[in-house]
Amino acid sequence: GAVVSQHPSRVICKSGTSVKIECRSLDFQATTMFWYRQFPKQSLMLMATSNEGSKATYEQGVEKDKFLINHASLTLSTLTVTSAHPEDSSFYICSARDGTSGGADTGELFFGEGSRLTVL
Amino acid sequence: GQNIDQPTEMTATEGAIVQINCTYQTSGFNGLFWYQQHAGEAPTFLSYNVLDGLEEKGRFSSFLSRSKGYSYLLLKELQMKDSASYLCAPMDSNYQLIWGAGTKLIIKP
Repeated sequence: GAVVSQHPSRVICKSGTSVKIECRSLDFQATTMFWYRQFPKQSLMLMATSNEGSKATYEQGVEKDKFLINHASLTLSTLTVTSAHPEDSSFYICSARDGTSGGADTGELFFGEGSRLTVL
Repeated sequence: GQNIDQPTEMTATEGAIVQINCTYQTSGFNGLFWYQQHAGEAPTFLSYNVLDGLEEKGRFSSFLSRSKGYSYLLLKELQMKDSASYLCAPMDSNYQLIWGAGTKLIIKP
């Protein structure tokens, strides 16, 4: 199946700093990527939908200025957590939908490995 | 509103069979996915059903009844590595996946 690579897998930062997480589709073009956040023992929460070449669509309650999303190419989307605080500590996961006919027919999502952010 | 209902936790014995049920309510429907998620890892795709009936894939099978808003994931010949959370995720009319909290499956020797 298609591969999505997410980096870094773990990051620890001080409160007030910014952290960038990258999500790459390695062997397919992803016109749409999704960013999720997952707190322990809770479900995935969709934060935003990232579309290549346009502004991301944020879910209700997600601060656009705090979680900056850039989808500059068909294979790369980045999430920047600005001025991070301890409450932003979470597991962040990206996913992408294969833009070829097979992936588009099923809507199957391919997930990155996830990034665990710890803000001290 | 949109809603997913799965058991929070289930326990089964190695080598046995377990069925994880899921009922859902969504705005429109474009199929239902099952994902497996091990602790601390991202979800991995297991199955996709868009028509009624049973889809079999090795030890895992998934069933869908659209009229009942019901699906189940059947795991056979359970192995210890099957201990994980199983997420039922229907897709709504906007092609967005609706995520529940998942079912934590504990496999005992």
